[in-house]
Amino acid sequence: DAGVTQSPTHLIKTRGQQVTLRCSPISGHKSVSWYQQVLGQGPQFIFQYYEKEERGRGNFPDRFSARQFPNYSSELNVNALLLGDSALYLCASSRPGGVSYNEQFFGPGTRLTVL
Amino acid sequence: AQSVTQLGSHVSVSEGALVLLRCNYSSSVPPYLFWYVQYPNQGLQLLLKYTSAATLVKGINGFEAEFKKSETSFHLTKPSAHMSDAAEYFCAVSEPGNQFYFGTGTSLTVIP
Repeated sequence: DAGVTQSPTHLIKTRGQQVTLRCSPISGHKSVSWYQQVLGQGPQFIFQYYEKEERGRGNFPDRFSARQFPNYSSELNVNALLLGDSALYLCASSRPGGVSYNEQFFGPGTRLTVL
Repeated sequence: AQSVTQLGSHVSVSEGALVLLRCNYSSSVPPYLFWYVQYPNQGLQLLLKYTSAATLVKGINGFEAEFKKSETSFHLTKPSAHMSDAAEYFCAVSEPGNQFYFGTGTSLTVIP
């Protein structure tokens, strides 16, 4: 089975621009989460979506938004980019419900560089 | 609020030596605990997870971790380090259905 896929793999933007990152979950997984990993740090939770509804939001400004589509794929949008938004953005999918389904499977990430 | 503390941002061991990576958690409810490994320029791969069954959890690549409630710890060990173990290791805690909280990571270097 294919794992979590993310596109693009690398992206370079300038300050003030907007960016959209895409994620396709593992087949059968209905929950998608987004994380920001700044160099040298652990991933920080941004959003969790399940069945197209936002189920959780981390401590990120409103410049960050996301959505989930009927096929469970997801997009993360970041507006008015700042230098500090440069990071690896990770998408993870899971099948919420019980303990055994709480494991998150991560994609390879999108490396965003803001100049 | 849940949190994870990983003691030691960098750990170096000789090839064949014991690997010990430390993780302490803070949680108001019985936690679910995970160890992930990240190789350069890659995403995170699950090593093992604790979900309130056996306190000693065995994972992939010879790693294991022991859940100790009295110490609020979930340390990762491997009896004999291999060069291919060099990577970044993250401990994470979660509640069912909620987001993961990751530690800041421990970079493992294996010296030949």
